[in-house]
Amino acid sequence: DSGVTQTPKHLITATGQRVTLRCSPRSGDLSVYWYQQSLDQGLQFLIQYYNGEERAKGNILERFSAQQFPDLHSELNLSSLELGDSALYFCASSVAEADTQYFGPGTRLTVL
Amino acid sequence: QKEVEQDPGPLSVPEGAIVSLNCTYSNSAFQYFMWYRQYSRKGPELLMYTYSSGNKEDGRFTAQVDKSSKYISLFIRDSQPSDSATYLCAMKRDQAGTALIFGKGTTLSVSS
Repeated sequence: DSGVTQTPKHLITATGQRVTLRCSPRSGDLSVYWYQQSLDQGLQFLIQYYNGEERAKGNILERFSAQQFPDLHSELNLSSLELGDSALYFCASSVAEADTQYFGPGTRLTVL
Repeated sequence: QKEVEQDPGPLSVPEGAIVSLNCTYSNSAFQYFMWYRQYSRKGPELLMYTYSSGNKEDGRFTAQVDKSSKYISLFIRDSQPSDSATYLCAMKRDQAGTALIFGKGTTLSVSS
């Protein structure tokens, strides 16, 4: 158990809908990262927050957004969902920005 | 050409075998190299973290980096059924960098 928690474990929704994925980092970690894992693309970096501020962006679609709250938990919002958004979404956290990233168990999103 | 290439396998070996897992990369700017292990339906967990070229050993695991060939390897000695998982290589350009670039992973099965 890495200490990173993610909810929900599974999410099934329809195209066009909006969902929110939640991540609680390890105690003491200030940095949160979001990754998407699909069979064809592998694990891809989406976005990173450090102590509430956005720090780095990867291959994140405009339909996706994230934020980190004062209690350091983070949410990833996915809107106008498409079939191709079906994937595993992982959150990772680290103490500081360049430190080892510890991954949560992931949220499996299925868009029907 | 993807930045990081990794043979997806599957790789099947008997218990006790030496396993060699490899990744190639195209970006010569990568300096920090990691191996993550991912069990089915779990998040990736960090196994090895190396900087630049050279070897690093931790128990039954040895990581090798050859920057001149843009090639990294993970060796597992005396493989066990509990090593059955997907192994992901990851890398980044500098220590301050946050976005990890992952290979797609190699699925390993160790039979008893």
